[in-house]
Amino acid sequence: GQQVMQIPQYQHVQEGEDFTTYCNSSTTLSNIQWYKQRPGGHPVFLIQLVKSGEVKKQKRLTFQFGEAKKNSSLHITATQTTDVGTYFCAGSPTGNQFYFGTGTSLTVIP
Amino acid sequence: DVKVTQSSRYLVKRTGEKVFLECVQDMDHENMFWYRQDPGLGLRLIYFSYDVKMKEKGDIPEGYSVSREKKERFSLILESASTNQTSMYLCASSLGSSSNYGYTFGSGTRLTVV
Repeated sequence: GQQVMQIPQYQHVQEGEDFTTYCNSSTTLSNIQWYKQRPGGHPVFLIQLVKSGEVKKQKRLTFQFGEAKKNSSLHITATQTTDVGTYFCAGSPTGNQFYFGTGTSLTVIP
Repeated sequence: DVKVTQSSRYLVKRTGEKVFLECVQDMDHENMFWYRQDPGLGLRLIYFSYDVKMKEKGDIPEGYSVSREKKERFSLILESASTNQTSMYLCASSLGSSSNYGYTFGSGTRLTVV
């Protein structure tokens, strides 16, 4: 079945360092979404990418969708303690049902 | 803001009990979903619905059923709760396909089956 793999599972960084999480799909995706879940909270939608090679930025966050539409990444520049949480990608082959990755848990050490 | 409300934040049930988890959304979304979240496994889709009285199995429907009698309400039913159903359950809703607003999740129900 459809699988969306995400690495790493855990990442500890010093405050001010950069952070990247990667998402890979076994099949071509129609679109991909990214979510952030704070500790004790629920996933909150960040962004959706739909075009091959698309790059979107939200302040210190940069999202990329691969040329083949089978992989994506989220990069955070100069992490802050407010970035702590688990980041999930969710890919859809059709644009309807989304398959979530296993998430990357980010810890930022002050 | 779209709101997805789950009836209970924490729930403790006994093995064999029938359990109802309720979810209500207030923005007229067509699509509603039930996920369970377990450490290291991410979010796994149990059931989803694209319309009233419509339901589709997700990746792990065994041991669960759902009901969608009204557009705003999507209920998850554990027919006979078992300890391996101890988990965090998340309800979500969304507009039609390819929405740019993604899924809106409820706060979750942490279910413990003893």
